[in-house]
Amino acid sequence: GAGVSQSPRYKVAKRGQDVALRCDPISGHVSLFWYQQALGQGPEFLTYFQNEAQLDKSGLPSDRFFAERPEGSVSTLKIQRTQQEDSAVYLCASSPKKRGLSNQPQHFGDGTRLSIL
Amino acid sequence: KNEVEQSPQNLTAQEGEFITINCSYSVGISALHWLQQHPGGGIVSLFMLSSGKKKHGRLIATINIQEKHSSLHITASHPRDSAVYICAVRSYRVPNYGGSQGNLIFGKGTKLSVKP
Repeated sequence: GAGVSQSPRYKVAKRGQDVALRCDPISGHVSLFWYQQALGQGPEFLTYFQNEAQLDKSGLPSDRFFAERPEGSVSTLKIQRTQQEDSAVYLCASSPKKRGLSNQPQHFGDGTRLSIL
Repeated sequence: KNEVEQSPQNLTAQEGEFITINCSYSVGISALHWLQQHPGGGIVSLFMLSSGKKKHGRLIATINIQEKHSSLHITASHPRDSAVYICAVRSYRVPNYGGSQGNLIFGKGTKLSVKP
């Protein structure tokens, strides 16, 4: 069955370049989360979408980070003028219902491993 | 201090051993998740629980809400159980629009290696 799909699986970029990471959630899932996982650490929340609305971006570390989900399905996380500290695994997760209404498990993608040289 | 603490950080076991991984948290929660992450990054949800105990195959998860503590047990461990096990909680924070209410807060994970 189709799970959460992320692409690319690996991305290497030079410092200063812009990158775009894609997430295809499970079809019909309302909620979509982006997380950043540094080496040896647990994931940390970046941003949350309910359909096309970005309701929470409190975890985005700087204004170089931008996320969108224009049609309420596929989401893109964009990082401008990348820096070495942006190197991490970026995880996307989706769940069927709205955050906060009931406890729904999040379904995770395999992540995009971003390396900034 | 991290809001979600796991112990041990690393665990090496012999095949067949009974394994316990612990998770303590300091925030009010609505649910606790145990996740399994294999090399390469993919995360699989093992359990989501808010009280008591759940069992799935050789895996057992328990939670004590009063003590803010959860344990993940693996019986008859096998080398294929080798992975990072992550505890994550869904926290009740003071809600404000744009705040992080309901998002998962993750522990740093426990790296388990089961030797044949």
